[in-house]
Amino acid sequence: DQQVKQNSPSLSVQEGRISILNCDYTNSMFDYFLWYKKYPAEGPTFLISISSIKDKNEDGRFTVFLNKSAKHLSLHIVPSQPGDSAVYFCAASDSWGKLQFGAGTQVVVTP
Amino acid sequence: SAVISQKPSRDICQRGTSLTIQCQVDSQVTMMFWYRQQPGQSLTLIATANQGSEATYESGFVIDKFPISRPNLTFSTLTVSNMSPEDSSIYLCSVEGPSRVDGYTFGSGTRLTVV
Repeated sequence: DQQVKQNSPSLSVQEGRISILNCDYTNSMFDYFLWYKKYPAEGPTFLISISSIKDKNEDGRFTVFLNKSAKHLSLHIVPSQPGDSAVYFCAASDSWGKLQFGAGTQVVVTP
Repeated sequence: SAVISQKPSRDICQRGTSLTIQCQVDSQVTMMFWYRQQPGQSLTLIATANQGSEATYESGFVIDKFPISRPNLTFSTLTVSNMSPEDSSIYLCSVEGPSRVDGYTFGSGTRLTVV
């Protein structure tokens, strides 16, 4: 049972434009949401998180928005850079610290 | 955040054999997590390892297949036993950050191919 879903397997965006990645979840017990970036042959790298009591968190070019009523979160990357080309995973954590991951979205930033 | 050294980085193994993956953390951590990423799929939690107690396995994973050791607060091993080609995956260990807002740190992964 997939409790965290990323319905877009891929996203192509022009350099300098905004990348918007979406994620939906089903479990109301999740209280932290995280985004990870993964390059081939490397482990996932933590990007940004948001607590379930907030609706927005910003860190440099990365902003995460949380809509609890819709059980939806999104990651905005502005401006997109070639180095942002990677697979992005949405993840959700419960109070036990276990992470559940979405299927990932492959982002390609084109010149 | 913690730095994790995971090895081996990759291996090709014969079916029926076992492989032990090691993770060394540069600081003491209470919990360590082991994940699997099958080809083209997302990361799935295998088990949570606490020092001094038996690991807690997620549904679909059993101790006989994936025995875990946690001898101290900076080290853990995961063994993939009696391997079959279906075990070909990337295996990763992970630890929690200083606080939940800091996220989790992952090792670089072990790419296992079973032939």
